[in-house]
Amino acid sequence: AQSVTQPDARVTVSEGASLQLRCKYSYFGTPYLFWYVQYPRQGLQLLLKYYPGDPVVQGVNGFEAEFSKSNSSFHLRKASVHWSDWAVYFCAVSMGNSAGNKLTFGIGTRVLVRP
Amino acid sequence: ETAVFQTPNYHVTQVGNEVSFNCKQTLGHDTMYWYKQDSKKLLKIMFSYNNKQLIVNETVPRRFSPQSSDKAHLNLRIKSVEPEDSAVYLCASSPRTEQYFGPGTRLTVL
Repeated sequence: AQSVTQPDARVTVSEGASLQLRCKYSYFGTPYLFWYVQYPRQGLQLLLKYYPGDPVVQGVNGFEAEFSKSNSSFHLRKASVHWSDWAVYFCAVSMGNSAGNKLTFGIGTRVLVRP
Repeated sequence: ETAVFQTPNYHVTQVGNEVSFNCKQTLGHDTMYWYKQDSKKLLKIMFSYNNKQLIVNETVPRRFSPQSSDKAHLNLRIKSVEPEDSAVYLCASSPRTEQYFGPGTRLTVL
């Protein structure tokens, strides 16, 4: 069965500093991976997605992620954090690209931004 | 730009009542989902529909039932709510793999 581990429940970072959020996945096959962000009292917004191909994917708002098959990881990065990045970030894996494939989510990492 | 709409935003009810939540997507996708997000922010799939047909039904209590009139709409009915049903219910739609979420319906059961 597929699973996602986000080892950091909470990360605090200063505005302007760099950010890395860790994600490890477990899946026997070719994974499709995603990062979502959830701002307070809102639904999930797609930040970026990985389909088999280039391991580094660019997303919205300056986010990027790097896929590593050897490490079973899909870490999210941002070079310079803004106060508006204060949110919960979820990593997710899908079993494939067929209709109806469910997403399995990690527990989320809450990012707090210090002024 | 919101393309997955959910109503109501909030709902407060008492144990044993019936509730219904609505979801509509204007993205033209064939597949829609319901997820439950608990107080710890954990997300779990409940159902998925493809072109009005149920294709995924995770282990959820029988009091939960999805209803789809067409591929743009997927509603969720809960008969006789329980305290553990308090959560945010998120609807999503998908063209194939990535999913697009609505703002959620927050249910509080007293």
